[in-house]
Amino acid sequence: DIQMTQSPSTLSASVGDRVTITCRASQSISRWLAWYQQKPGKAPKLLIYKASNLESGVPSRFSGSGSGTEFTLTISSLQPDDFATYYCQQYDSYPFTFGPGTKMDIK
Amino acid sequence: EVQLLESGGGLVQPGGSLRLSCAASGFTFSSYAMTWVRQAPGKGLEWVSSITDSGDTTYYADSVKGRFTISRDNSKSTLYLQMNNLRAEDTAIYYCTKDLGVTYDAVDIWGQGTMVTVSS
Repeated sequence: DIQMTQSPSTLSASVGDRVTITCRASQSISRWLAWYQQKPGKAPKLLIYKASNLESGVPSRFSGSGSGTEFTLTISSLQPDDFATYYCQQYDSYPFTFGPGTKMDIK
Repeated sequence: EVQLLESGGGLVQPGGSLRLSCAASGFTFSSYAMTWVRQAPGKGLEWVSSITDSGDTTYYADSVKGRFTISRDNSKSTLYLQMNNLRAEDTAIYYCTKDLGVTYDAVDIWGQGTMVTVSS
């Protein structure tokens, strides 16, 4: 099975900051990677698919990049609504696996 | 409006069974793969099982293989998860999700989730 790791596990940031979350796969997954945002008590929301494709309706301050085994999610200017937990997921091969999550909170 | 509505969760004893249902609306259900994802209390997301658009191919996490069965009824736009021999570690919110495509894809729509608690 493909293992996914994320760093950092927690991130303290301020409104307006540029932040980057890194996701690594234990083997190459080409660009078959998605990013999700989850707020407390809510279902996750798809942000990015195929490593860099922005899901419809997602603000353009979110962007994704990478291929192979290393990927990043960048938020160009943090907004109050962005404080949440972020998960990456590989869908290159079953069983699909999620990263452990990165919790972003207000500094 | 695209919507997924799960039902069937609840409290069950270890070794017991439950069947989750997910009623889909607002899209052509038969054109998309579907997936169950779960989240134990206070924990991260865990992919559980997926089924292709036609229902002819299914995939399972090792943790549920042999105990859970995913199925779908395209005539009723409904996804199912039959869960047998339940264990305490199956306690979680179970989310029904719609894939972006017919197979091997990210999920773009999530239901609100249904809670399954396995406890004596």
